[in-house]
Amino acid sequence: AQSVAQPEDQVNVAEGNPLTVKCTYSVSGNPYLFWYVQYPNRGLQFLLKYITGDNLVKGSYGFEAEFNKSQTSFHLKKPSALVSDSALYFCAVRDDKIIFGKGTRLHILP
Amino acid sequence: NAGVTQTPKFQVLKTGQSMTLQCAQDMNHEYMSWYRQDPGMGLRLIHYSVGAGITDQGEVPNGYNVSRSTTEDFPLRLLSAAPSQTSVYFCASRPPATSEHGVRVTANSPLHFGNGTRLTVT
Repeated sequence: AQSVAQPEDQVNVAEGNPLTVKCTYSVSGNPYLFWYVQYPNRGLQFLLKYITGDNLVKGSYGFEAEFNKSQTSFHLKKPSALVSDSALYFCAVRDDKIIFGKGTRLHILP
Repeated sequence: NAGVTQTPKFQVLKTGQSMTLQCAQDMNHEYMSWYRQDPGMGLRLIHYSVGAGITDQGEVPNGYNVSRSTTEDFPLRLLSAAPSQTSVYFCASRPPATSEHGVRVTANSPLHFGNGTRLTVT
């Protein structure tokens, strides 16, 4: 069965520093991987996806994610964090259905 | 386009009451789904539909019914509300399948979410 794990409930990063939000997955076939962001009192917004091709995927708001097949990971990254990046981030995997991780709350400290 | 619209935004029910959460999209999306979001649990799939007249169960379907009579609407019904159904409910849809090299592909389309309905059952 497919699954996705986000091992950190919360990540704190100082503004201007690089950030990483971790995600690992398990699927039986080729993985289709997504990152979404949720701001308070809003639905989830799509950030980026990996379907096939280059392992480094670029998305919205300067975010990128690195697909690593051997480690079954799809970590979200940004070179320089902004206070406005503070939000709840979800990793998702699609096999037969779309399954979400439990989310990681990102706090960017001014 | 309004996108995915959910109503109401807030609702309080007493145990045993019934209600319908509405979801409508104006993007001609074939796929629609309902999730519930609970602290520490992430989003869990309740029901989904791949097109008008077709529905299927997700991870946590018990206590919920759905129907899909039109492409635009996908209501979620609670027949007898329970405190365990206190949650934030999100409706999401996905664009129609595309064709790549003659193969119908839907997996690469991201979901479009509504802004949620916060439900409290007392």
